[in-house]
Amino acid sequence: DAKTTQPPSMDCAEGRAANLPCNHSTISGNEYVYWYRQIHSQGPQYIIHGLKNNETNEMASLIITEDRKSSTLILPHATLRDTAVYYCIVEGGGADGLTFGKGTHLIIQP
Amino acid sequence: DAGVIQSPRHEVTEMGQEVTLRCKPISGHDYLFWYRQTMMRGLELLIYFNNNVPIDDSGMPEDRFSAKMPNASFSTLKIQPSEPRDSAVYFCASSFIGYYGYTFGSGTRLTVV
Repeated sequence: DAKTTQPPSMDCAEGRAANLPCNHSTISGNEYVYWYRQIHSQGPQYIIHGLKNNETNEMASLIITEDRKSSTLILPHATLRDTAVYYCIVEGGGADGLTFGKGTHLIIQP
Repeated sequence: DAGVIQSPRHEVTEMGQEVTLRCKPISGHDYLFWYRQTMMRGLELLIYFNNNVPIDDSGMPEDRFSAKMPNASFSTLKIQPSEPRDSAVYFCASSFIGYYGYTFGSGTRLTVV
């Protein structure tokens, strides 16, 4: 069974905030939430990760609910170059390899 | 840093031939991962190494696949003999376990005809 559930696709207008949801209702206490993205024909790119606190870096913000059963990745000002497949992954630290699901295909509209 | 370097970028080979894919991880990274991506199956973890030692190869599809990491700066994934169903994009990634993000290479697109 998949550890995460993501919508298969989403649209967002250029310049607006893109909010990508992820459900992970079976997450355990020692598991992190990771986000990666894959732009067409490129390798996946690490975006951000978190355990239970909200996190922010130069690329995005990660909001994790208090019960940790869901999270949202926020791209504050989406550009056309943010069009990609976004993967939400739940794993216990990454040392055993990350399991990628189908992700969300985010399309930024001009 | 040049990132994770994979070669070749594209490989076209005939069924039955041996194929070798190469990967140079980021210097200082102690984990190396090989993934395969197809439209049908998405991204699949094939094998990973820690400090040059194979830790888990349960994702390797068949005995035709083998991987080695003779030193910290080089790894190979070999398919012998190759079959059309091996056609895919193969990615190598490395990480330093103290930092949980993986850095992926640009991939090798393999076509077996």
